[in-house]
Amino acid sequence: EAAVTQSPRNKVAVTGGKVTLSCNQTNNHNNMYWYRQDTGHGLRLIHYSYGAGSTEKGDIPDGYKASRPSQENFSLILELATPSQTSVYFCASGTGGQDTQYFGPGTRLLVL
Amino acid sequence: GDSVTQTEGLVTLTEGLPVMLNCTYQSTYSPFLFWYVQHLNEAPKLLLKSFTDNKRPEHQGFHATLHKSSSSFHLQKSSAQLSDSALYYCALSDEGGTGSKLSFGKGAKLTVSP
Repeated sequence: EAAVTQSPRNKVAVTGGKVTLSCNQTNNHNNMYWYRQDTGHGLRLIHYSYGAGSTEKGDIPDGYKASRPSQENFSLILELATPSQTSVYFCASGTGGQDTQYFGPGTRLLVL
Repeated sequence: GDSVTQTEGLVTLTEGLPVMLNCTYQSTYSPFLFWYVQHLNEAPKLLLKSFTDNKRPEHQGFHATLHKSSSSFHLQKSSAQLSDSALYYCALSDEGGTGSKLSFGKGAKLTVSP
């Protein structure tokens, strides 16, 4: 079974603070993804990566940065967190095309 | 761009009745279609996906048929079970484009009651 882990699992942040969400995968997948999940919007892609050193903008990248320092790790960075970024964030890995994306357990972020 | 339109919001069924969740799509190329399921407090996971050879994928009693003529990939099950209560997403991967991203619909929350 493919394995994707995320940390932290829960996070409370203050408005204007910096938040870093981390993701690790042991699947040796080239592609990694960051989504946020909100009721009424479903899963929306924030950033993704094709491999170490690469990051690409997804559908809603504003207010977020991403970093892929290695094949295994992919981080999502909120430099100046806002209450509108309160959400559940999922990381996923995959090989693209018709292949399955494997999701991590999610991180609940509350920005006060 | 690519987009997916699916049954949205809350869907309530009585156990034993058939399940049908609609999914239609728009894509420039020949896409792959997926259904992902997310149970309460869990991560989304693959339920089933379209095949290139027009076989009908099936899993846990669910099936879906890709109809390119109508751009649809509806999810069906003949008899709902309590354990089917979950959030269901239809998603599209564009083979001819980047092929690396999934475009998700907004999701349907299925609740099956006794």
